[in-house]
Amino acid sequence: GIQVEQSPPDLILQEGANSTLRCNFSDSVNNLQWFHQNPWGQLINLFYIPSGTKQNGRLSATTVATERYSLLYISSSQTTDSGVYFCAVLRYGYNKLIFGAGTRLAVHP
Amino acid sequence: DTEVTQTPKHLVMGMTNKKSLKCEQHMGHRAMYWYKQKAKKPPELMFVYSYEKLSINESVPSRFSPECPNSSLLNLHLHALQPEDSALYLCASSQEYREGLEPQHFGDGTRLSIL
Repeated sequence: GIQVEQSPPDLILQEGANSTLRCNFSDSVNNLQWFHQNPWGQLINLFYIPSGTKQNGRLSATTVATERYSLLYISSSQTTDSGVYFCAVLRYGYNKLIFGAGTRLAVHP
Repeated sequence: DTEVTQTPKHLVMGMTNKKSLKCEQHMGHRAMYWYKQKAKKPPELMFVYSYEKLSINESVPSRFSPECPNSSLLNLHLHALQPEDSALYLCASSQEYREGLEPQHFGDGTRLSIL
């Protein structure tokens, strides 16, 4: 099956700092989503980005499908960005989203 | 992703109780999903419904019984659960279930504790 690896596993930032989270996947995919799970457990859909670049406020994401990775950029981080960021992929012919283990982010004031 | 509504937000039940989790969406989506998430782990798929029919059961124990009464509503009936079933249960929906190619939108989850 497809393997999804996220790095780094843990990240601590001061408020205002920028960061890049990475998601590598072992095979070609048709669907890639980035999620943020806040400390209360809410899983929020950030991006649906099987390829290309998208931006939403302070967040942007880039997926290079041919090289099998995706990056999530967080600029000017805020304490509300804390939580776990999951990358999840799916390939035609498989039946479920494959999640990475997540990057746990803590933003301190 | 507050367009998928789950109730209750928290549930504490004994091992002999029967309870149900409810999920509702009004986005016109025709595929709905149940996931289970243990602490510090990613979500794991349990069931997929497509057009109100069960498409996927990921070998889930029979003490979990899903039901899809209509295209907007998904229930998960619980009976004789074990302490290891304590987890966050997440519902999701997508436009369709085309072998999972559609983006999925998640509810806020129900945090379940089994005593």
